[in-house]
Amino acid sequence: LAKTTQPISMDSYEGQEVNITCSHNNIATNDYITWYQQFPSQGPRFIIQGYKTKVTNEVASLFIPADRKSSTLSLPRVSLSDTAVYYCLVGDLWDTGRRALTFGSGTRLQVQP
Amino acid sequence: GAVVSQHPSWVICKSGTSVKIECRSLDFQATTMFWYRQFPKQSLMLMATSNEGSKATYEQGVEKDKFLINHASLTLSTLTVTSAHPEDSSFYICSASQLRGGAQETQYFGPGTRLLVL
Repeated sequence: LAKTTQPISMDSYEGQEVNITCSHNNIATNDYITWYQQFPSQGPRFIIQGYKTKVTNEVASLFIPADRKSSTLSLPRVSLSDTAVYYCLVGDLWDTGRRALTFGSGTRLQVQP
Repeated sequence: GAVVSQHPSWVICKSGTSVKIECRSLDFQATTMFWYRQFPKQSLMLMATSNEGSKATYEQGVEKDKFLINHASLTLSTLTVTSAHPEDSSFYICSASQLRGGAQETQYFGPGTRLLVL
C-alpha cells in the first residue's frame, strides 16, 4: 500500500478555506484516495474519495493532479467544529483479499474563533 | 446509509477478565470487517481483518489467542479481549467495507469502544 505524508498540524480561523495536502508518491494504478475526519474518542468519519481530477461533495472538495502523486483536501469556510484530525489514505481494497486501509499520522487541524 | 455501530461504547473491567466488543453494519452487508486499536494521541493501528465465515487474519505482533475475532454473519463481527490486562486499555474501533460505485470499496468506521482495564 502506498505510504502517505501529511503535515502534522495546521491552524486556521473560522470562515477561512483550509487546504490539506497529502503526498503519495508510490500510488499504484488501482489505488483510490480517501480522506477521513476523526474527533477525539470517535471513529473516523468518511469525508471524500477520488481517483483523479476533482471530486466535490457537500462538505469538501478533493483535488488530484494528473500524476496522482499528491492530493489536496479543501474545506470551505471552516468552523470551530471542523477542529479534528484528518487522515489521507491510499489503497485498493480489492487488492490481495481486501486489505484494510493503513492510517498514517494524520493532520491535526485547529480552527480558532 | 453505511452505518456501523459498536457495543459497548465503553467498558471498565478487572484485570484477568474477558471483554467482548460487538461491531455491526446496520444498513449494508459487510463480507469484510476490520479491527483497529488506537492509543492516545496516536493513529489507528490495524489489528486484524475479519471475513465472514472464515478465520481472521491478524497483523504481525497481534496475539490471535488474546484477541479472538468471530465474524459469524454478514452484519456482525465480535472482538473478545481475553484475560485483559492494563496494557490492553485502549480505544478499539471496527470498520466494515461497502462496495461503492465504480467497484471501489470504502471503509466505514464504528464509533469505537473505550476499554479500561484496572
